[in-house]
Amino acid sequence: KAGVTQTPRYLIKTRGQQVTLSCSPISGHRSVSWYQQTPGQGLQFLFEYFSETQRNKGNFPGRFSGRQFSNSRSEMNVSTLELGDSALYLCASSLDNVLGTEAFFGQGTRLTVV
Amino acid sequence: AQTVTQSQPEMSVQEAETVTLSCTYDTSESDYYLFWYKQPPSRQMILVIRQEAYKQQNATENRFSVNFQKAAKSFSLKISDSQLGDAAMYFCAASNEKLTFGTGTRLTIIP
Repeated sequence: KAGVTQTPRYLIKTRGQQVTLSCSPISGHRSVSWYQQTPGQGLQFLFEYFSETQRNKGNFPGRFSGRQFSNSRSEMNVSTLELGDSALYLCASSLDNVLGTEAFFGQGTRLTVV
Repeated sequence: AQTVTQSQPEMSVQEAETVTLSCTYDTSESDYYLFWYKQPPSRQMILVIRQEAYKQQNATENRFSVNFQKAAKSFSLKISDSQLGDAAMYFCAASNEKLTFGTGTRLTIIP
């Protein structure tokens, strides 16, 4: 069974640009969550999608948005990039959104904003 | 709101020895889960062990076990017979509607 796939693995963007990151969950999983990982702030929750609906959202500005498609694949978009958006972005998929369900993580997308 | 605190930024242990990683948490929820995740240099987070708050019995997974003290809101991870492959960042996390992570403990295994 294929794991969670995130593309691209690495990305370099310029301040002010926008970027779209992709996450393909494990087959059959309907919940996808996104996290931002930085050395200073650690792992912070961005948002969670379940069956194409955003169920939870973290404390990030509106420049960060996401969506989930009918095949459960998810995309995350960041507009008007800032230097502080440089981070490892992790996607996690779960079978469902029942409390305690194991989250399986992808290898992440390393975004560098210059 | 949930908070998770890992007070040990770095730990080291001799190969084959036992090490305990500390974690405390705070939550107002009555139903929640606690997790330990491992992140090796490859970056992929891997679930090590999970504990349901309602279960008094401490979870174990082979060489990994937890000491769950609900009243003290403590959830430590014990790794027995440490192996070189255990070297990684270890994150404690609490889950209600979302996962809240601690800042992590970098574990080094000394050959």
